Parts: sequence; structure tokens; C-alpha cells
Amino acid sequence: DTAVSQTPKYLVTQMGNDKSIKCEQNLGHDTMYWYKQDSKKFLKIMFSYNNKELIINETVPNRFSPKSPDKAHLNLHINSLELGDSAVYFCASRDHGSGYGYTFGSGTRLTVV
Amino acid sequence: DQQVKQNSPSLSVQEGRISILNCDYTNSMFDYFLWYKKYPAEGPTFLISISSIKDKNEDGRFTVFLNKSAKHLSLHIVPSQPGDSAVYFCAASGKSGGSNYKLTFGKGTLLTVNP
Repeated sequence: DTAVSQTPKYLVTQMGNDKSIKCEQNLGHDTMYWYKQDSKKFLKIMFSYNNKELIINETVPNRFSPKSPDKAHLNLHINSLELGDSAVYFCASRDHGSGYGYTFGSGTRLTVV
Repeated sequence: DQQVKQNSPSLSVQEGRISILNCDYTNSMFDYFLWYKKYPAEGPTFLISISSIKDKNEDGRFTVFLNKSAKHLSLHIVPSQPGDSAVYFCAASGKSGGSNYKLTFGKGTLLTVNP
């Protein structure tokens, strides 16, 4: 009954590969986010979707493409992985009508070798 | 361009004493502030928040203080317990609560509470 679940939890892959991270929330929230925590520990926003519509797209390489098939899911696809993509990626959700906090998933640790 | 700064990467306190975690921000458009707590291999979890119209918010052992003129907030934990050992993130948001709302986070402070 996890509120925000991400899969996989760990992902090790070679440079140049394409990979996807999946996120699902069962809270009925209408807004979902992807954040990246890099080696410097900053949590930086990448994307935000509201009811399947892309709302926020920070300066992220085109190799990153979010996809939201419905408001409960927000997946992140990464093409041509680079060493610098190694980070922990967090999915989060929020109900914009009922508060300011996010509910986070447990993160996906991506290691590109 | 760090809009939210947590200048202390780590803090160590004794069990039962007070823990004070600090956060500074530069964007004067921020008007809502939150603290998140993160254990290893888990996502951040919401702890406490404060609106810019207040200068203090208390929830049990946790109190957040906001000094708008100094663009500074702090989280006080009294008394500190070993289970409080975690990374604490300060976060801030602007006035929009709508669909383009986002949180800006600091780098976090690792709190260690020693028994």
C-alpha cells in the first residue's frame, strides 16, 4: 500500500544504453514530479506533470523524456545514458488543491558505468 | 545559483539536548517553507512547515522559526532522540499554489544524535 512507488530501486547500466524508471502514486494526487539528487546532494526539480500535462520542464537534456499515461503514473525514460546521469532520481506527488508538501517515493539509484 | 542554502553539512548532538538546523534563502518571492527528513535509502518525508505570515510553528518536539528580514529559518528539535538521526532538507516555494508549484531544496544537513 505504498503511496508513491518507484521501480527499480537500483539500476546499473552501461553508457549509451536507454533505460526507464517507473513511478506510480495511489494517493489520488493530480501533480507528479521528478527530482534528481546528484553527487553534490542537491535535490533539483526536473519535470512536473499535472493531470498528464507537462507543466514544468527545467533545463534538462532532451535525452530525458517523461511520460504520463494517466495522472497516477509518471515514468522517466533516458536515452543514450552518460556517466553524469548517475544520481538518485526521486518521484513525488502532490494534490495542488490541498497543501504545499510533496509525498516522495523511495528513489531510484542510477549508476552508469 | 543556490536559492536555498544549508551551510552546515553535518551536526552532532547528544541525546536529550537541543538540535538546531539552519537554513537561509535568497529569493524574496518565497513565502512557504518546509522541512523534510530523509533516512538512507528512503525518500524525504515531510516534517513541518511554516507560512511567511508566521514566525513560529510548533509540532511536538519540532519547532520552526522564520526570520523574514534575515531570510533565515531554523528547525529546533527538543529533546533530540537517536531516531532523529537523518538528513534534514530545508525547502521553499513561491506564492503560486497552482499546477506550476514547485519546491526548491537545500543540500541538506546530516544530524547525528548520539546516545
